[in-house]
Amino acid sequence: QKEVEQDPGPLSVPEGAIVSLNCTYSNSAFQYFMWYRQYSRKGPELLMYTYSSGNKEDGRFTAQVDKSSKYISLFIRDSQPSDSATYLCAMSAGGGGADGLTFGKGTHLIIQP
Amino acid sequence: DAMVIQNPRYQVTQFGKPVTLSCSQTLNHNVMYWYQQKSSQAPKLLFHYYDKDFNNEADTPDNFQSRRPNTSFCFLDIRSPGLGDAAMYLCATSRTTGTYEQYFGPGTRLTVT
Repeated sequence: QKEVEQDPGPLSVPEGAIVSLNCTYSNSAFQYFMWYRQYSRKGPELLMYTYSSGNKEDGRFTAQVDKSSKYISLFIRDSQPSDSATYLCAMSAGGGGADGLTFGKGTHLIIQP
Repeated sequence: DAMVIQNPRYQVTQFGKPVTLSCSQTLNHNVMYWYQQKSSQAPKLLFHYYDKDFNNEADTPDNFQSRRPNTSFCFLDIRSPGLGDAAMYLCATSRTTGTYEQYFGPGTRLTVT
């Protein structure tokens, strides 16, 4: 079983729809959870960063973490064509030292105008 | 704007011919990372520097080396590129202990002929 599972999509929705993107993970040591947006042939751009369980909202984006279920979500409200990209979840155990991120494969999202 | 810069953006090399990719940052972050991302796959951590301390991932091939001459610069050397090393190489940075937000450069796409 991979450490982080993410449906690669593509996920195609009409403009204005609410989008739900999800990841599951197996390592209970993960405490830091991130969502990155990656446009084609570009580097990942940090969207949301959450520590431990709970919700975090930033504009049209909401990140949710449920550590008991090892499940994280990203919701996009009022989706726009410019939101079309690959969304990568990433997580880290932390622990006080520098630590690389464990990524999901990414979900390719298409917002239809 | 503070940022992570990678050069070149596109690199073509021949099978077995050494190649060096470079990364620089104006964020003054202590930690610099190199990831390899193959098509439709998750970024995979190769190694990272915490200041001058080098940390190699256990499964990173010996063919990959890195140098960090100062805080701002980090290099990825591929000693004898194989066809399987064709990928996007991503450089990322993060602040010192206690934060796990990583900021990525635009990547260098390496082609091996």
